[in-house]
Amino acid sequence: SAVISQKPSRDICQRGTSLTIQCQVDSQVTMMFWYRQQPGQSLTLIATANQGSEATYESGFVIDKFPISRPNLTFSTLTVSNMSPEDSSIYLCSVDGTSGSRYEQYFGPGTRLTVT
Amino acid sequence: AQSVAQPEDQVNVAEGNPLTVKCTYSVSGNPYLFWYVQYPNRGLQFLLKYITGDNLVKGSYGFEAEFNKSQTSFHLKKPSALVSDSALYFCAVRPTGGGNKLTFGTGTQLKVEL
Repeated sequence: SAVISQKPSRDICQRGTSLTIQCQVDSQVTMMFWYRQQPGQSLTLIATANQGSEATYESGFVIDKFPISRPNLTFSTLTVSNMSPEDSSIYLCSVDGTSGSRYEQYFGPGTRLTVT
Repeated sequence: AQSVAQPEDQVNVAEGNPLTVKCTYSVSGNPYLFWYVQYPNRGLQFLLKYITGDNLVKGSYGFEAEFNKSQTSFHLKKPSALVSDSALYFCAVRPTGGGNKLTFGTGTQLKVEL
């Protein structure tokens, strides 16, 4: 399975500001995924990021609010823009497994964001 | 559209007793099914999956799950629970017909007590 790291692990931000979350994978992967887990709730897919193309956003998520970069096959960033308290969540990146593990996704440790 | 239901917000079980965490799903065609576990302040850890073949799949930490196509269920089980199994468990589905989107259930908090 892939080893995934995220920075920062947590942050407290003021409303109206933006935060960029980094996701680093220890191997090259085609797709990277960004999820949001709101307090006490399940995970919701925000977008899928392929290297060299625009990210694909799920219904209810837009690029202006959650711009994503994917500069190479091991790295991606998610920016949460113009934050409000409703953006307080855990943000997780994930990747598909490879070879015999290619059906499941592996997740980073998450970034716990609190917006005041 | 695909969906997953975990009907129990919380399951309590005594250590040493068997445990079951329930999951039902809805998807077009055949499903790929997964269980993940989330410990406090940690990311999601993959437990097991059903792709095809034997309906009973075994995973990490002694967990297993049974795929039942007629009941569209994929319940997570363990013969003998440990206090260290206490965590939040998520069931997830993705369609076999293409696409990488994982759809998660709402999660079930498992509490194993002495």
